[in-house]
Amino acid sequence: DGGITQSPKYLFRKEGQNVTLSCEQNLNHDAMYWYRQDPGQGLRLIYYSQIVNDFQKGDIAEGYSVSREKKESFPLTVTSAQKNPTAFYLCASSLGQGVYEQYFGPGTRLTVT
Amino acid sequence: GENVEQHPSTLSVQEGDSAVIKCTYSDSASNYFPWYKQELGKRPQLIIDIRSNVGEKKDQRIAVTLNKTAKHFSLHITETQPEDSAVYFCAAQSSNDYKLSFGAGTTVTVRA
Repeated sequence: DGGITQSPKYLFRKEGQNVTLSCEQNLNHDAMYWYRQDPGQGLRLIYYSQIVNDFQKGDIAEGYSVSREKKESFPLTVTSAQKNPTAFYLCASSLGQGVYEQYFGPGTRLTVT
Repeated sequence: GENVEQHPSTLSVQEGDSAVIKCTYSDSASNYFPWYKQELGKRPQLIIDIRSNVGEKKDQRIAVTLNKTAKHFSLHITETQPEDSAVYFCAAQSSNDYKLSFGAGTTVTVRA
């Protein structure tokens, strides 16, 4: 089912804590992406990476950080600086950064109280 | 940056009828327009896409049209079935930075 996994499916954290969401793909894709989905809104791009050891901010990067040390992995850290972190987070990957289909992972629902 | 608007936000149709979802975009550099379907609690999945050098594309009961001059594109679903009930997202990709910008989504309900 796409070869992209995200864990965990549900995550609960207390306010003020950093939390890291996992995203792994075995599709041999160069490009990976993190999106945030809120009710009634489309997907908004947080960060993306075209290649290992390189990544760029998306439209809503404040309060988030990423790393891309391996081609297969693109973890997202939601820091305590993110003002409204409760959301559904989706990871995606594509062959490269161009006109390629993006394949999505199953998502992680993060709840911060 | 790119701004994609999608209408309507909800759509209820009788089984067998057609459903049409419309999107507009702002960046004339956008050249790729995918449509994703997301069932409740599931991941978005690509159902059809169109590139800027094509005006229309069809895949069985699904078709997409693109009007580059007017900067709008539409999804058409014919002979709707209950399994078509889902949230549909349009998106536009700019040839400048290859980022995908999504519409807010349309919740389609097919009444049996």
